[in-house]
Amino acid sequence: DVKVTQSSRYLVKRTGEKVFLECVQDMDHENMFWYRQDPGLGLRLIYFSYDVKMKEKGDIPEGYSVSREKKERFSLILESASTNQTSMYLCASSFGSSGQETQYFGPGTRLLVL
Amino acid sequence: GQQLNQSPQSMFIQEGEDVSMNCTSSSIFNTWLWYKQDPGEGPVLLIALYKAGELTSNGRLTAQFGITRKDSFLNISASIPSDVGIYFCAGQLASDMRFGAGTRLTVKP
Repeated sequence: DVKVTQSSRYLVKRTGEKVFLECVQDMDHENMFWYRQDPGLGLRLIYFSYDVKMKEKGDIPEGYSVSREKKERFSLILESASTNQTSMYLCASSFGSSGQETQYFGPGTRLLVL
Repeated sequence: GQQLNQSPQSMFIQEGEDVSMNCTSSSIFNTWLWYKQDPGEGPVLLIALYKAGELTSNGRLTAQFGITRKDSFLNISASIPSDVGIYFCAGQLASDMRFGAGTRLTVKP
């Protein structure tokens, strides 16, 4: 079974803090993704990566950065957290490059920025 | 980017009833996926569809990839209380994946 884990299930941070969200997958997947999920808006892609040290902007990259130093780990960084970044953050991974890869999700990190 | 149109937004049904939800798009996709998300958890894949017209079942769940490649539906037969959750669709074309906003299902015993 594919396993995608996220470092925290719940986080509470203050405005202006630097926040790190970690994601690890154990299936040697090339592709990793970070989404945020908000009520009524569904999942929105923040950043994705197709290989180590590679990153591509998604639909809403502003205010975020990412790091992929190792194949199994994809980190999402909020340089200076703001209240509008309060959300559920979901990491996903997939294998291959055919354009039909199924994404498998982690359990999510619910972030509250005060 | 444009997300998918998923309906209904929510459903309240009696245990034992059948459920149907669908997703539509103005764009075509090569893959349609259906996920279920329990409260506070990440989405779990239910069914993946890779071919236009494909009809696939997973237990009481049945999903179809529309012939036009612009839509998909998910049916749940004989619902049970543990079917409660949010169901959402995803369409994929090459590296682009889009999601529906979800259908929140409530099953009354």
